[in-house]
Amino acid sequence: EAQVTQNPRYLITVTGKKLTVTCSQNMNHEYMSWYRQDPGLGLRQIYYSMNVEVTDKGDVPEGYKVSRKEKRNFPLILESPSPNQTSLYFCASSLRFRLLQYNEQFFGPGTRLTVL
Amino acid sequence: KNEVEQSPQNLTAQEGEFITINCSYSVGISALHWLQQHPGGGIVSLFMLSSGKKKHGRLIATINIQEKHSSLHITASHPRDSAVYICAVRSYDGGSQGNLIFGKGTKLSVKP
Repeated sequence: EAQVTQNPRYLITVTGKKLTVTCSQNMNHEYMSWYRQDPGLGLRQIYYSMNVEVTDKGDVPEGYKVSRKEKRNFPLILESPSPNQTSLYFCASSLRFRLLQYNEQFFGPGTRLTVL
Repeated sequence: KNEVEQSPQNLTAQEGEFITINCSYSVGISALHWLQQHPGGGIVSLFMLSSGKKKHGRLIATINIQEKHSSLHITASHPRDSAVYICAVRSYDGGSQGNLIFGKGTKLSVKP
C-alpha cells in the first residue's frame, strides 16, 4: 500500500532532550516536506527536500534540522526541544515539485509532540 | 496581513446545500492547493490548480489568477463532507519553489 509513515505518533518529552521524528514513504517520491500545525496558526512549513541531499528552509525552520540521505526517508530532528515546539507535525511527499505540473501531496498521519 | 486568507472561518450547512469556500492570496504563485483535514486529523490533497477549473465528483475548484482568488464548491453537501478545508499556495519567487504557504482553514459542518 502506498503510504507515508511517521513515528512516533505521540511523544511526550522534556526540554532539551534530543529527539527524532522519522518519516518514510514507499512511493519513490522526490519531494518531501515537514509541517507543523498549531491552533489559530494553521499549517506552516518547516523544511522541505526536492530530492536526495537537497533540502531547504520553509517558513519556520528555527530549532529543527533535517537530512535526506535516502530517497524514502526524511527525518525531523529537534536537537534541544523547547515547549514552543509542542505541536502536531505532518510529513508529506509528492512525486516531484516541478512548476505547473500536478503532483498530489500525500500526508503522513501526524505526530503529536508535547515538550514539557 | 496573512498572505493567504480563507473565508469563512466556520461554516454550518444543512445536508444538500451548495457550499462555497473562498481563498484569497497576496503573493505571486505558481499553483494553489486545496486540502481536506478530517476530524481525526488526517489530511488529503483534493486539488492542485494553476488556472481555470477542476472537478472531482461533487467538488469543484476554480482559480482566477488575475484576481488572486480561488473557490472550492461542494454540491449536494453531505455530513461526511464535514472537515476543515485548507487552501495553500506555492509561492514562486525563484528561490524557494518548494515553499507552501497555508491559509488557516475553513471548518465545515454539514448537518443531516
